[in-house]
Amino acid sequence: DAGVIQSPRHEVTEMGQEVTLRCKPISGHNSLFWYRQTMMRGLELLIYFNNNVPIDDSGMPEDRFSAKMPNASFSTLKIQPSEPRDSAVYFCASSSLAGGRRETQYFGPGTRLLVL
Amino acid sequence: AQSVTQLGSHVSVSEGALVLLRCNYSSSVPPYLFWYVQYPNQGLQLLLKYTSAATLVKGINGFEAEFKKSETSFHLTKPSAHMSDAAEYFCAVSGSTGNQFYFGTGTSLTVIP
Repeated sequence: DAGVIQSPRHEVTEMGQEVTLRCKPISGHNSLFWYRQTMMRGLELLIYFNNNVPIDDSGMPEDRFSAKMPNASFSTLKIQPSEPRDSAVYFCASSSLAGGRRETQYFGPGTRLLVL
Repeated sequence: AQSVTQLGSHVSVSEGALVLLRCNYSSSVPPYLFWYVQYPNQGLQLLLKYTSAATLVKGINGFEAEFKKSETSFHLTKPSAHMSDAAEYFCAVSGSTGNQFYFGTGTSLTVIP
C-alpha cells in the first residue's frame, strides 16, 4: 500500500493568498483526520471525517480554514486568506472504522507550509 | 474526559542505556493507548498500542510499554538506546465515543554517543 499521500510536501506563499492542501487516505479507510503541528502548540486535531462526513471541526482555528471530503479517496484543507501564523506542518491521517476506538491512525508525510 | 500527560519534554540518554519515556492517561472509559514516533521531517509512525489484551505490549525497534491501570500509566521503555532512536515520541489515548485521538505534547529523545 502506498500509505497516506499528501501534496504538496512544501508550500511557500504570501500572506493573503489561498492555500489548498490535499490528502489521499489509505484505500479502504473510512476515517480521515487533519492535524496541525507547531513548536508552540504541538499537535492539534483540526477536523475529522467518518464516511466522508465531518464529525468534529471544533479544532478549526477560524473561518479562514475549511475542509472537504468529496469522496472516500480525497480530502482538501483550504486556508483563505492565509496569514503568517498559519505556518506549520499539516498532517493528514486515516484509519478504519471497523475496530472503533482501537484502530490505528496512519499518518502521511505532512505538508510544510510557510506563509510570508 | 480523555487526555494524556507526558512527563519530560526532553530526555537524554547515553547510547546503550535504558530508555524510559513516561505517559500518564486520564480516561472516562477503558482506555486504548498508543505510542508514536516521529523522525525529523517525517510523519508519525506507530510504535505500539494497547487494546486491552496483554498489559505488556511489544512494538517495533525493540520498544515495549506496560499498561498499569492502578497507576494510570503507559510508559515506553527500551533496554538499550541506539543512535537511531533519536526522535520525538508521542503518547495518545483514543476518544471515549468517537475514534479521534488525544495526543500528549511529545518527548524529544536525544541519544548521546
